[in-house]
Amino acid sequence: AQSVAQPEDQVNVAEGNPLTVKCTYSVSGNPYLFWYVQYPNRGLQFLLKYITGDNLVKGSYGFEAEFNKSQTSFHLKKPSALVSDSALYFCAVRDQGSSNTGKLIFGQGTTLQVKP
Amino acid sequence: DADVTQTPRNRITKTGKRIMLECSQTKGHDRMYWYRQDPGLGLRLIYYSFDVKDINKGEISDGYSVSRQAQAKFSLSLESAIPNQTALYFCATSSGQVLTGELFFGEGSRLTVL
Repeated sequence: AQSVAQPEDQVNVAEGNPLTVKCTYSVSGNPYLFWYVQYPNRGLQFLLKYITGDNLVKGSYGFEAEFNKSQTSFHLKKPSALVSDSALYFCAVRDQGSSNTGKLIFGQGTTLQVKP
Repeated sequence: DADVTQTPRNRITKTGKRIMLECSQTKGHDRMYWYRQDPGLGLRLIYYSFDVKDINKGEISDGYSVSRQAQAKFSLSLESAIPNQTALYFCATSSGQVLTGELFFGEGSRLTVL
C-alpha cells in the first residue's frame, strides 16, 4: 500500500536558522511527491512538487525539498526560517493505482513553530 | 475571489440532522474531491468525481454522500450527522489534463456535531 509518513508532530526552530520538515514515502513505482502548507483557518496551499528530474526542487516562499530515492525521503527545507513560516505542513504522494485518479495520499502533518 | 469556494465555513448541528456542504470552483477543472481533516490524521479522501456523471468513493465514504450538480459544483451531504463526523472538511480540484498536477483547495468547512 502507498503511504506517506511525517515522523515529527512538531518542529521548533529559531528565526534565521535553517529548518527541515521530514517526510518519507512508500510507493510501488516512481513517486510523485508534494508539499502543502496550511496557515490557521485557511485551506492548504501548494508549495512544491517532485515529478522527475533534479532531486532538489524549489518552491514558493523560499522553500525547497530534496528527493532521496535510496532513503525514500522528501524532506522540506528552508535556509533561514521566518516567524511567518509557522504553520502546519503536509507531505503527500500521488496515488498510483490502476486508474489515474489524481488522488493524493497525505501524511499526518507537522506543525512548524518558528520563534523570534 | 477564491477559485474554490466552500459554504458554510462553520456549522454547528445536532446528532441526526442532515447537513450539506457545498463547493464551487472557477478554475475550470474537471476533477473535484472532498477530504476530511482530523488532528494527527492528516487528510483523508471521502469522495471524488471526474465529471458530472462520475462519482467515486474514497477511503472513508461511509455516512457521506455527494452530488456533482455541474462541472463547477460538488456538494457533500451527511444524511444523519453523528459526533465523530466533527471535523474540518476540504473541497479540492485538479485538472485531468495535467497528469502530475497538484490539488487546489478551498478554505475549509468546519463542522461540529453535538
